[in-house]
Amino acid sequence: GAGVSQTPSNKVTEKGKYVELRCDPISGHTALYWYRQSLGQGPEFLIYFQGTGAADDSGLPNDRFFAVRPEGSVSTLKIQRTERGDSAVYLCASNFLGGSNTEAFFGQGTRLTVV
Amino acid sequence: AQSVAQPEDQVNVAEGNPLTVKCTYSVSGNPYLFWYVQYPNRGLQFLLKYITGDNLVKGSYGFEAEFNKSQTSFHLKKPSALVSDSALYFCAVRESSGGYQKVTFGTGTKLQVIP
Repeated sequence: GAGVSQTPSNKVTEKGKYVELRCDPISGHTALYWYRQSLGQGPEFLIYFQGTGAADDSGLPNDRFFAVRPEGSVSTLKIQRTERGDSAVYLCASNFLGGSNTEAFFGQGTRLTVV
Repeated sequence: AQSVAQPEDQVNVAEGNPLTVKCTYSVSGNPYLFWYVQYPNRGLQFLLKYITGDNLVKGSYGFEAEFNKSQTSFHLKKPSALVSDSALYFCAVRESSGGYQKVTFGTGTKLQVIP
């Protein structure tokens, strides 16, 4: 597609439930990033993929959060036993690392609300 | 650790007047610097970046930013503000060395352009 696509755009879930958030990056982009943006805050880094592997997962807040990118394209962010504090906008971004193309292109985000 | 400071939560400017949104950064080594804009319920849109070379960088929608190494600043500017420029602006930094480096965002500055 032309841009980074994230689904669903909105997700409401009950505390304790499991959720999956999907990101479809720009075609050909090898690098994929997940960020979390809480109300009134800037995006906070969660995890970075280069190809299929998670090259940096230092931003994942705890072991309830996990992400995969099995074929080096689409990625899924998985949150187990959701808590109200997980409510935020989850942003995905992609780029091609190399040359001068250093900026990342963001999707519109998934707004997760845990009730 | 790298960091970004956006000292103003909100900037108000009259339409037609010049605007400045401030950003200072801290990074070991040389920085790559970025500005993104976020409209309500939208993802982040890339505006401009500083990689190397000319300290004055020109970007989308008439915006520009000046890299000042001695002051570790990268302020965003526009000569004549439009009402449609009203949005949330984020400054971001990463270290330039190596391949992948994590990008750190500031907390954002809300720009309000008054008709």
